Formats: sequence, structure tokens, C-alpha cells
Amino acid sequence: EAQVTQNPRYLITVTGKKLTVTCSQNMNHEYMSWYRQDPGLGLRQIYYSMNVEVTDKGDVPEGYKVSRKEKRNFPLILESPSPNQTSLYFCASSHREGRYTGELFFGEGSRLTVL
Amino acid sequence: DAKTTQPPSMDCAEGRAANLPCNHSTISGNEYVYWYRQIHSQGPQYIIHGLKNNETNEMASLIITEDRKSSTLILPHATLRDTAVYYCIVRALPIPNSGGSNYKLTFGKGTLLTVNP
Repeated sequence: EAQVTQNPRYLITVTGKKLTVTCSQNMNHEYMSWYRQDPGLGLRQIYYSMNVEVTDKGDVPEGYKVSRKEKRNFPLILESPSPNQTSLYFCASSHREGRYTGELFFGEGSRLTVL
Repeated sequence: DAKTTQPPSMDCAEGRAANLPCNHSTISGNEYVYWYRQIHSQGPQYIIHGLKNNETNEMASLIITEDRKSSTLILPHATLRDTAVYYCIVRALPIPNSGGSNYKLTFGKGTLLTVNP
């Protein structure tokens, strides 16, 4: 089954404790991206990656890091989480260019609470 | 990307057709109309997209007006599981080698569709 898998789905942590949210897709997609969703602010893009070892900032990258060492994985790293990073996070992926249809596949979400 | 306008909420009776409108009066000739939905706190799910012709798939139908300034998403037989926020997004296909920012989807506030028993 084609899917984007995120882990953990739920996490409560404390300020300053480094954490990683993993994202993996099994569709051989070149493009991957992270969004966060907050009430009243909608979905905002954090980082994206066009291919292995190619990443770039989205609209709200502050406080986050990403890496793309393998095509299928795109982890989101919070080096020193703060309460304003409490949010619902989504990973998404799609093909690029020649096979691109505009359909973005989303994971089920990771709800993060930073105390 | 062109701006879209959707009603904030709509109700529909189970088993009836749900017709969700979207206005996109500033749409450009190369911009497509996409529909996604988000069931409570789940990841957004692609439904359908079109350029100017009407489109149908197993989930829904998309009707685009001849001047392309508005469209309607039709769920022919709404069920309780169709209760969700529906997003209408207008965007062009990314230009090859133009950078990853062209792949970003910009979600507005959408329409909360509530299907009632």
C-alpha cells in the first residue's frame, strides 16, 4: 500500500530536549516536505527536499532541521524544542516534474506538545 | 497562486449530494483547480483536480464553469465519513528545474462539511 509513515504519532516532551520525527514514504517520490498546522494559521511549510541531499527552507523553518540521506526518509529534527513548536506536524511527498500530477501524499500526522 | 473563496461551513444530509462551491475569479490560464480534504486532524487527502473540463473519479466530480472563475466539488452520495474540511486550491504545475517552492500547496481555511444522519 502506498503510504507516508510518520513516527511518533503523539509525543509530549520538555523544553530543550532534542527530538526527531521520522517520515518515510514507499512510493519512490523525489519531493518530500514538512508542514505544521496550528489553529487559525492553517498549514504552513517548514522545509522541503527535491531529492537526496537537496533540502531548502519553507515558510517557517526557524527552530527546525532536516536531512535527506536516503530517498525514502526525511526526518524533522527539533534540536532544542520550545513551547511555540507545539503543533500538529505533517510530512508529505510527491513525484517531480515528468511524473508530477499535483497530488501531494500526506502522512497521518504527529502531534507534538512541548512543555 | 490565485486566491480562492469558500464558504466556511456547509451541512448535508447523509445519502444526498454535497455540492461545495469555490470562487477563483483571478485564476490564470495555466492554473489547475485542486481539491483536498482533511478529516479531523488527519493528513490532507487529495480528491480531484482539473484544468477546464469537468472531471470525475471514484470519490467525486469537479465542475468548472466555462469562464473558469468558479468550480463545484460534488460528492454524489455523502456519508458520515465525508465530514471533513474541504480545501479548494488553485495552482499551476511546477516549471521543470524552477525550484522546490513551486511544489508547495497553499491551504486556505476551507469549508467544513458536516454530513448529518
